[in-house]
Amino acid sequence: AQSVTQPDIHITVSEGASLELRCNYSYGATPYLFWYVQSPGQGLQLLLKYFSGDTLVQGIKGFEAEFKRSQSSFNLRKPSVHWSDAAEYFCAVALPLMFSGGYNKLIFGAGTRLAVHP
Amino acid sequence: EAQVTQNPRYLITVTGKKLTVTCSQNMNHEYMSWYRQDPGLGLRQIYYSMNVEVTDKGDVPEGYKVSRKEKRNFPLILESPSPNQTSLYFCASRQLADNTGELFFGEGSRLTVL
Repeated sequence: AQSVTQPDIHITVSEGASLELRCNYSYGATPYLFWYVQSPGQGLQLLLKYFSGDTLVQGIKGFEAEFKRSQSSFNLRKPSVHWSDAAEYFCAVALPLMFSGGYNKLIFGAGTRLAVHP
Repeated sequence: EAQVTQNPRYLITVTGKKLTVTCSQNMNHEYMSWYRQDPGLGLRQIYYSMNVEVTDKGDVPEGYKVSRKEKRNFPLILESPSPNQTSLYFCASRQLADNTGELFFGEGSRLTVL
């Protein structure tokens, strides 16, 4: 069965430090890949997505992610973390539908909660 | 403002008392979906709808019903809620024509079933 693994449940970094959140997926072909962020009491906001082309994608809020097919990974990075980045981060994959190329569901990882120390 | 609106945002109810969580979007999206979020499990899809009168089960549909009579609305119905349906629920929508388009999420509805 398809699955998404985020190995780190909690991560704590100091403000200004770099950040990398890991995401691995299990699927035979290349899925569409997404990173969402959830601030406390809020819904999910899309940070970035990958569906084809350049394997390094840029997102909002200074985030980027790199797709590595050989490792089935889509890790999220940020060079310098701000206190406002404290939130929960979800990696998700979408399996392209055979004929339309769209998708009808996202499969989410369990999430990584990021804490930022001043 | 483009948004997905869910109501109620918070609800405490008792076992067996039917309830409906409403979801409305103002973006003219064809696709809508419901997810539940539980600690350590991320979000799991309950039901989805590709258009009016077209709905299908997601990964965890047991105990839930949905309907899609209008394009903008996609209510989630719990006919006989049980404590294992205590969760945080999210409605989401997207434009079907955009194959790789993002899902837009509501702010969530926290449901407690006693």
